[in-house]
Amino acid sequence: DAKTTQPNSMESNEEEPVHLPCNHSTISGTDYIHWYRQLPSQGPEYVIHGLTSNVNNRMASLAIAEDRKSSTLILHRATLRDAAVYYCILRDATYKYIFGTGTRLKVLA
Amino acid sequence: EPEVTQTPSHQVTQMGQEVILRCVPISNHLYFYWYRQILGQKVEFLVSFYNNEISEKSEIFDDQFSVERPDGSNFTLKIRSTKLEDSAMYFCASTSTGSYGYTFGSGTRLTVV
Repeated sequence: DAKTTQPNSMESNEEEPVHLPCNHSTISGTDYIHWYRQLPSQGPEYVIHGLTSNVNNRMASLAIAEDRKSSTLILHRATLRDAAVYYCILRDATYKYIFGTGTRLKVLA
Repeated sequence: EPEVTQTPSHQVTQMGQEVILRCVPISNHLYFYWYRQILGQKVEFLVSFYNNEISEKSEIFDDQFSVERPDGSNFTLKIRSTKLEDSAMYFCASTSTGSYGYTFGSGTRLTVV
């Protein structure tokens, strides 16, 4: 299973952008990059995914490096409700997710 | 927005008893999953289910576990004889196609005493 590396924790001030990095140097050509977040006492929540091009949706943006060995999840204006554990996951053809420990994002008021 | 519904939200059972955790996936979804998360640990894959059969299962999903989609709407996880180490949050998830993200339910907290 392809692996990802994320910082254990990050902090951000409210209303400011947050850039959450993820390294995936062993990514294969067909692996999709998926991001989920898990708020306290809840199930994981889909955030965004991409293959090669940068992606935007109402929750976030995903910037993918040209060599695909890293990506960055961008929250444009962090709110207190964005405090969660963010998981970067490579999904292969088996479609299952292998969750790592993720990045715990703390948002400061 | 459509949701994956899990019941009960919390189940307490005695060691050795059978439990059934229930999930109602989103109605037009075709792929179904169970994951679990022991307190303070990672979310772990248990099993995937497609076209009325198991697609893949992890080492955790041994003979004590089974899944079923009995009536086209419910998706259940059965643990035949629960152990203390089965205590965890169990999450059901579904997706319409393999390439999109899943929708997870809010989980069932299973406590084995």
